[in-house]
Amino acid sequence: AQSVTQLGSHVSVSEGALVLLRCNYSSSVPPYLFWYVQYPNQGLQLLLKYTSAATLVKGINGFEAEFKKSETSFHLTKPSAHMSDAAEYFCAVSGGSSASKIIFGSGTRLSIRP
Amino acid sequence: DVKVTQSSRYLVKRTGEKVFLECVQDMDHENMFWYRQDPGLGLRLIYFSYDVKMKEKGDIPEGYSVSREKKERFSLILESASTNQTSMYLCASSEAGTTQYFGPGTRLTVL
Repeated sequence: AQSVTQLGSHVSVSEGALVLLRCNYSSSVPPYLFWYVQYPNQGLQLLLKYTSAATLVKGINGFEAEFKKSETSFHLTKPSAHMSDAAEYFCAVSGGSSASKIIFGSGTRLSIRP
Repeated sequence: DVKVTQSSRYLVKRTGEKVFLECVQDMDHENMFWYRQDPGLGLRLIYFSYDVKMKEKGDIPEGYSVSREKKERFSLILESASTNQTSMYLCASSEAGTTQYFGPGTRLTVL
């Protein structure tokens, strides 16, 4: 069975500060891992995904995530937060015989302080 | 660009009504999905479909049914709407084993 845990339902950072959103996964097979972003009143948009190539994955809007198998983690980072980054972020995992299904974490709401 | 559209952004229905939520994708994707999103619970899979006329239950199928008569269209049906089905409903599509693309969502309120 696969699962995802996002640590912290709400994270607040100052504009220009480092953004770190934490995600740990559980999977019995090599996983595919995703980060999605949801802006208010919109659907989910893919930020980046890991599919067993490079462990450091670069996404849109300056975000990146590092796959660490030993820690079963896939944390999302951005060096310098911008006001437009305020949104909800979802980590997700898929893999194995149900490769088309994705299991989502409960989400982390990111707030940016001026 | 992949486009997934949902028939309504906001919908208000009364308890007991039959409700149809429509989703259309324009990329010839095999897979289509219906989720509901509730605060603190993330996205939960209701039903998905791997092909026309094919459907499988997700994690929370109770009170819902689906229909996929054409490849591009996947409908979610609430046979008799209840207040606990007030939620945001998200549709997604994908090729097998790849990224899911989401529609803008339908915020359903059942009074």
